Amino acid sequence: EPEVTQTPSHQVTQMGQEVILRCVPISNHLYFYWYRQILGQKVEFLVSFYNNEISEKSEIFDDQFSVERPDGSNFTLKIRSTKLEDSAMYFCASSTTGYPPFFGPGTRLTVL
Amino acid sequence: KNEVEQSPQNLTAQEGEFITINCSYSVGISALHWLQQHPGGGIVSLFMLSSGKKKHGRLIATINIQEKHSSLHITASHPRDSAVYICAVEKTSYDKVIFGPGTSLSVIP
Repeated sequence: EPEVTQTPSHQVTQMGQEVILRCVPISNHLYFYWYRQILGQKVEFLVSFYNNEISEKSEIFDDQFSVERPDGSNFTLKIRSTKLEDSAMYFCASSTTGYPPFFGPGTRLTVL
Repeated sequence: KNEVEQSPQNLTAQEGEFITINCSYSVGISALHWLQQHPGGGIVSLFMLSSGKKKHGRLIATINIQEKHSSLHITASHPRDSAVYICAVEKTSYDKVIFGPGTSLSVIP
């Protein structure tokens, strides 16, 4: 069964460093999403991406965040200068026509 | 006030019990979703609803648009149903979704 994959499963970084979280969506999907979940809190929408551009973003998705689909298979989330409060689980998701999306297993980001 | 609320926050049930998890929202929506988050963190989409009722196996989801309320029912609950169940609403389009706080369900053998 096709699935969304994410790497790495756990990323530890120092405050101020740049991180890139990688996702491989399901191959025939057209819509891509990033969400985050701070430990013990609810899931939050970050950004959606369609047709090689951002279609919607939340207030959380400020200038330190960027997304890219560098080739036909990967979808990345870059955080330019990480802060302690960026520590969270980051989920990638993809779908064909919108919801419901298929979620990846998540990348746990720890900022020290 | 949160735009999406769920009750109860935590729920413990005996195996075999009928379970109901409620979701209420305060905004106009185009669709509502129920998601399951496993103890390891993985998230699975269960249902997408814009009206009426849907059933999949032992899971039933209903929505009342006028009352801005949805319920997720689990019949004949089993320990493997133990998870966090999350209600999420699409305000205008699928692009921007608001998640509820989740209901943590524990089913005891």
